[in-house]
Amino acid sequence: SQTIHQWPATLVQPVGSPLSLECTVEGTSNPNLYWYRQAAGRGLQLLFYSVGIGQISSEVPQNLSASRPQDRQFILSSKKLLLSDSGFYLCAWSKILINEQFFGPGTRLTVL
Amino acid sequence: QKEVEQDPGPLSVPEGAIVSLNCTYSNSAFQYFMWYRQYSRKGPELLMYTYSSGNKEDGRFTAQVDKSSKYISLFIRDSQPSDSATYLCAMSLGNTGNQFYFGTGTSLTVIP
Repeated sequence: SQTIHQWPATLVQPVGSPLSLECTVEGTSNPNLYWYRQAAGRGLQLLFYSVGIGQISSEVPQNLSASRPQDRQFILSSKKLLLSDSGFYLCAWSKILINEQFFGPGTRLTVL
Repeated sequence: QKEVEQDPGPLSVPEGAIVSLNCTYSNSAFQYFMWYRQYSRKGPELLMYTYSSGNKEDGRFTAQVDKSSKYISLFIRDSQPSDSATYLCAMSLGNTGNQFYFGTGTSLTVIP
């Protein structure tokens, strides 16, 4: 069976510090990978998605970036965090031509 | 206009009640429809997945899709306190990019 991992689970960072969130998927190959941010009352905001290694599409202009160095690894990064980057970050995966999406446990980021 | 509209609630029902959760959408090209359950501070969990119009039943849960009205529903029979969560609807076009469009979620509380 497939599983998706995210770490860390929670993170408190000062404004201006760098960020690296990691997501890995097990039990499947060539998944589509996604990063979402969820803010209270605002639903899920798609940040990035990737259909393959090194292929990243950005949905929202921001100071965040994503990378996919390996087939089942997806990393969300920032060089300098803003207060507005606080939120619940979710990684998800799906298979091409199979329209089901599965989420990881999430990372709660607080920027102070 | 948002692609997907969902009443945020909150919705509060007594244990054993039938719950009806709904979403409307604007893009008639959506083909795949999903319902997720999200407990507080956790990632969303895929509950139901349907393709095109019709009904799908899984235990106490029934998902309905009416493409002519651009309206989807999730019914929960014999609701339990453990059903207390936020329910998100989602849909996709079914192309290879596999982008998903989410409602903002409805918060449900089942009172014992």
